[in-house]
Amino acid sequence: ETGVTQSPTHLIKTRGQQVTLRCSSQSGHNTVSWYQQALGQGPQFIFQYYREEENGRGNFPPRFSGLQFPNYSSELNVNALELDDSALYLCASSFNRGPGSYEQYFGPGTRLTVT
Amino acid sequence: AQTVTQSQPEMSVQEAETVTLSCTYDTSESDYYLFWYKQPPSRQMILVIRQEAYKQQNATENRFSVNFQKAAKSFSLKISDSQLGDAAMYFCAEGTSGNTPLVFGKGTRLSVIA
Repeated sequence: ETGVTQSPTHLIKTRGQQVTLRCSSQSGHNTVSWYQQALGQGPQFIFQYYREEENGRGNFPPRFSGLQFPNYSSELNVNALELDDSALYLCASSFNRGPGSYEQYFGPGTRLTVT
Repeated sequence: AQTVTQSQPEMSVQEAETVTLSCTYDTSESDYYLFWYKQPPSRQMILVIRQEAYKQQNATENRFSVNFQKAAKSFSLKISDSQLGDAAMYFCAEGTSGNTPLVFGKGTRLSVIA
């Protein structure tokens, strides 16, 4: 069973640039959630994709956008980068079988630094 | 809105001893799930233990157990026979049923002293 993978591991960007982060979900999972983890904080929910549709969004501006592909992998795009976007970005996959228990499995994260 | 509070930014424990990490939460949902995640320096968030709110019995996973007090909205993690590999950030998280996103606390950094 393949776990959740993310790329790249580290990334340095300049303020105002755009960035794309990638996530491959665990085999058999149909849902991907993205979280932002600032230094010294717990992860904050950005948005979730289920069957290629956005399925919930946290308190993040529209310049944070995403995609989910037919193979359930996902991208997180951030436009017009700001210094405060510097954080660890975590992807988590899960299997949505409707109401009931679930577990989210996390990837190793992408460390984004905006200068 | 759901909130999760971890009041201990840092904790330390001697190797082979027992330590308890605290977590309180607030939710208006009747059906929810509670989790403890471990995040070592490698950054990968690893699920340690989970508790379904409808279950009265406290969850256990080897050396890890929880004390779930539903009325008090308290969910503490007990680590027995602490090992050096237990050193990490520990996050308490809450999620409602149906694949909703997790709400995390700010974490507790656990150090294990040899």
